[in-house]
Order: sequence, then structure tokens, then C-alpha cells
Amino acid sequence: DIVITQTPLSSPVTLGQPASISCRSSQSLVHSDGNTYLSWLHQRPGQPPRLLIYKISNRFSGVPDRFTGSGAGTDFTLKISRVEAEDVGVYYCMQTAQFSRTFGQGTKVEIK
Amino acid sequence: EVRLLESGGDLVQPGGSLRLSCAASGFAFSSYVMSWVRQAPGRGLEWVSTIGASYDTYYEDSVKGRFTISRDNSKNTLYLEMNSLRAEDTAIYYCAKDHLGALAVDFWGQGTLVTVSS
Repeated sequence: DIVITQTPLSSPVTLGQPASISCRSSQSLVHSDGNTYLSWLHQRPGQPPRLLIYKISNRFSGVPDRFTGSGAGTDFTLKISRVEAEDVGVYYCMQTAQFSRTFGQGTKVEIK
Repeated sequence: EVRLLESGGDLVQPGGSLRLSCAASGFAFSSYVMSWVRQAPGRGLEWVSTIGASYDTYYEDSVKGRFTISRDNSKNTLYLEMNSLRAEDTAIYYCAKDHLGALAVDFWGQGTLVTVSS
């Protein structure tokens, strides 16, 4: 199975400042169809996760443009250009390149 | 509006069984890949199982042979039959749908709590 390692596990940020989360997979996430199936999700306390980014860099409907996904192969990054109060919570990357799906451990974003 | 409503979570003894259901509405259920994802208390997300639109099924290694995912398209309902339950199966179980053609989970239910304890 593909193992995904997220860093950092915790990220205290100042409102209005940028934040960045890294996700590294143990194998390439390029599917046989040529697409790379890496997505990013955000979970607020007591809530189910919600999709932010799919296929590395595609913002899901309604996601603000301060969220940007990038990367290729085994290394991926989620950037928040200017953190807002509603952005607190845990961020997960998820690979669906293989039938056996896996998540990163999660990165907790909190306001300093 | 997309809705996923899980039910069936309960307190069960180790070795026991439980069947979770997820009633779906607001989208063409039969066309979508559906999954179960769980989250143990205070822990991260863990993929459990996925069923495709063609009824192909996939399982996380620790649940293979114990859990069975299925779907009834006539009832727009997803199921997870869980047998030989263990303490480590204790978690909130989320029903989730894929974004069509994107292999990404784009909508989650509120979850149902399964507690395995004597």
C-alpha cells in the first residue's frame, strides 16, 4: 500500500499570513490513465471533512482561491495564501491512485 | 442537494456484528463510486472500503474477510456489514461519494459512531 507522509503535523499561523503543508507518497501517484490522483481535504472540529483540491491542483466548487495545490509524482503541496479564522482545523492529503486508498496523518492548523 | 445519512452505529461487544446503512439523495447514486471512511476518537482518517458503480469492491487490509460493502441502487443505499468486530474498529464511520470521474471524495455524511467494547 502507498504510505503518505504529511509535514508539518502542526502549524501555528498568524491571521493573514501564508501557510504551507507538504505531502509525500511512497510511490508515484500517477495513474495508468495519466492523471495524478492526489486530493486535499479540510476537517473542522466536530465536522466531516470537505474536499478542497482534487487531481493535485483543481479547486473544488466553492473553494476560495487562497487555496492552491501543486506538485507532481510523489511530492505535493497545499498553500494557503492568507490564513483566515475559518481555515483552522486539520488538513489531510489523500491518494486514490490505487484501489487501496490512503490518507496522510493530518496537519493541524491553528491560529497563533 | 446532495445528502448522505448514515445509520446503524451502536455499542457492540468484541466479536459481534453490525450493519451500517447510508441513505443517499440528491444525485444519481447508481453512477457514483461510494466509500466508507472511519475516524477513531482523536485520530486521523482511515479508508475502509470502496464500491464502484459496477459493484467492484475494495477493502483495507485489516477489514478484509470481516467487512462487506454493498449497494442497493433501487433504494439509493450503501451498506457496510461488519463481523468479528474488534476494539480497534471503534470509530465514527463516514459514508462518502466520489466526484464523478475525478477519483476524489467530494461529499461526506455526518457519520455514525461504532463502539466495540465489553
